[in-house]
Amino acid sequence: EVQLVESGGGLVQPGGSLRLSCVAYGFSVSSHWMSWVRQAPGKGLEWVANMKEDGIEKYYVDSVKGRFTISRDNAKNSLFLQMDSLRAEDTAVYYCVRAIQGMDVWGQGTTVTVSS
Amino acid sequence: DIVMTQTPLSSPVTLGQPASISCRSSQSLVHSDGNTHLSWLQQRPGQPPRLLIYRVSNRFSGVPDRFSGSGAGTDFTLKISRVEAEDVGVYYCMQATHPMYTFGQGTRLEIK
Repeated sequence: EVQLVESGGGLVQPGGSLRLSCVAYGFSVSSHWMSWVRQAPGKGLEWVANMKEDGIEKYYVDSVKGRFTISRDNAKNSLFLQMDSLRAEDTAVYYCVRAIQGMDVWGQGTTVTVSS
Repeated sequence: DIVMTQTPLSSPVTLGQPASISCRSSQSLVHSDGNTHLSWLQQRPGQPPRLLIYRVSNRFSGVPDRFSGSGAGTDFTLKISRVEAEDVGVYYCMQATHPMYTFGQGTRLEIK
């Protein structure tokens, strides 16, 4: 079964760091565009970052450039999001998404709360 | 960045009646590969989003045929031919033509 499972969310103070992980089952993360999408409480969806199949091309929404880094480990078939210098406005549910034919596979999400 | 604008933002609909959501992009969504990477997603309360329509008009696996997508260039539409109770939720258009993806604001579909 094709599935994505995120982990790593939690409560962190402003200025802190978190690393989100996403394990893929049933397909290879290295064969597809992969994305992170977030949803702040009561708000809409916001695309955060993309990684192309080549693992080289990466894109970020302006609000996280220089603070977040998308990466992957092919051996672990996993996608990551390193989040540094976190701000209150980064509080959201973060989804790992396979981006083929649109965004066709979504994880259940992991919650990040940035608060003192 | 591509801005995606949905209308309406809220749509009260009677069960069994049709519903329609529009999405307009600030730039053409025709990709250099000739495809238009415009998708529609549904998010039911308390659930992750799920893909309904990809490349403007292609229904994703398992999506009922009462859902249909149309449009070209910068103007797109999602139609539900006969709304059912399970269709309640928020609907988003999304562009993946340009590598910095963007979503519309979302349209909340509710039953009258």
